[in-house]
Amino acid sequence: DAGVTQSPTHLIKTRGQHVTLRCSPISGHKSVSWYQQVLGQGPQFIFQYYEKEERGRGNFPDRFSARQFPNYSSELNVNALLLGDSALYLCASSFELGIEAFFGQGTRLTVV
Amino acid sequence: QKEVEQNSGPLSVPEGAIASLNCTYSDRGSQSFFWYRQYSGKSPELIMFIYSNGDKEDGRFTAQLNKASQYVSLLIRDSQPSDSATYLCAVNSGYSTLTFGKGTMLLVSP
Repeated sequence: DAGVTQSPTHLIKTRGQHVTLRCSPISGHKSVSWYQQVLGQGPQFIFQYYEKEERGRGNFPDRFSARQFPNYSSELNVNALLLGDSALYLCASSFELGIEAFFGQGTRLTVV
Repeated sequence: QKEVEQNSGPLSVPEGAIASLNCTYSDRGSQSFFWYRQYSGKSPELIMFIYSNGDKEDGRFTAQLNKASQYVSLLIRDSQPSDSATYLCAVNSGYSTLTFGKGTMLLVSP
């Protein structure tokens, strides 16, 4: 079975640009969460979606938005990129809320 | 502010020894607890989860949970050089999202 897949794997953007990151959860999983991980830190929660509804939002500015589609895939959008948005963006899926979550390989975003 | 604390390390152990990784958390209402392994430049990989007080064993790994002390640990028996990685402790908090510690780097020397 395919695990969580994210695209693209690497991305370089210029300050002020917009970026869209995509995630396909494990088949049958209904929950998708997004995390940001900067070097030397643990992942920080950005958004959680369950059954296509937003169930949680972390302490990130409104430049960050996300959605979940009917097939449970998800995308994370970041507007007006800042240098500080450079990080590894991780998508995690789980069958239900509150149980073990599995991460995709991540998208390495570099803002120059 | 829900917090998860881990010693950043590095924790150095010789091959074949037991590695003990520790984690404390601040939210007494936390329900589930996870250990992830992360190799440099890679994404976190789930290795253990525990929901109830006590011990849970899976191969060379044992997770221990003490909710009264708000403490969770991971023991790795017969440590191998391939176990060298950063170990992230994660706690299920509000909205069923995960709060992570900063991770403990483990170095297993041959």
